[in-house]
Amino acid sequence: EIVMTQSPATLSVSPGGRVTLSCRASQGVSNSLAWYRQKPGQAPRLLIYGASTRATGIPARFSGSGSGTEFTLTIGSLQSEDFAVYSCQQYNNWPFTFGQGTNLEIK
Amino acid sequence: QVQLVESGGGLVKPGGSLRLSCAASGFTFSDFYMSWIRQAPGKGLEWISYISSSGSTIYYADSVKGRFTISRDNAKNSLYLQMNSLRAEDTAVYYCARDAGSSSSADYWGQGTLVTVSS
Repeated sequence: EIVMTQSPATLSVSPGGRVTLSCRASQGVSNSLAWYRQKPGQAPRLLIYGASTRATGIPARFSGSGSGTEFTLTIGSLQSEDFAVYSCQQYNNWPFTFGQGTNLEIK
Repeated sequence: QVQLVESGGGLVKPGGSLRLSCAASGFTFSDFYMSWIRQAPGKGLEWISYISSSGSTIYYADSVKGRFTISRDNAKNSLYLQMNSLRAEDTAVYYCARDAGSSSSADYWGQGTLVTVSS
């Protein structure tokens, strides 16, 4: 099973700021990597797939990069709805696996 | 618009069974792979089962293999998860999710249904 490790576990940022979240795979997953945002009490929402392609309706302030084992999600100009938990997920091999999440909180 | 609505969750004793359902609408259900993904209280997400559009290809996570069965009825636009021999560690919110098609990410999710396994 491919283990996905996200860092940091928690990140405190001011509204309007810019942040970069990291995700590392225990073995190469090519670009088969997705990012999700999950607000409390809600289902996750797909933000990025293919490591760098924004999902439908996702604003340009979200950008993803990386390939192989190292990936990043950058969020520019943080809005109130962006303070949530972000999870990465690999779909290169079954079982598809998620990282443990990064909690983005208001500073 | 795409809608996925889960039902069937609840409280069940260890060793018991439950059947979850997911009603899909707003898209051609028979064209898409579908999945069940769960989240234990305060924990991360776990992708537990995956079924192809025709139902001919199915995957299970080791944590549920041999106990859970995924199925679908394309005529009824419905996805199911039969859960047997339930354990306390199966307590979680269970989400039905649609495969994105161009990638095996989940582009639409239901609201989730809570399964609690406790005596």
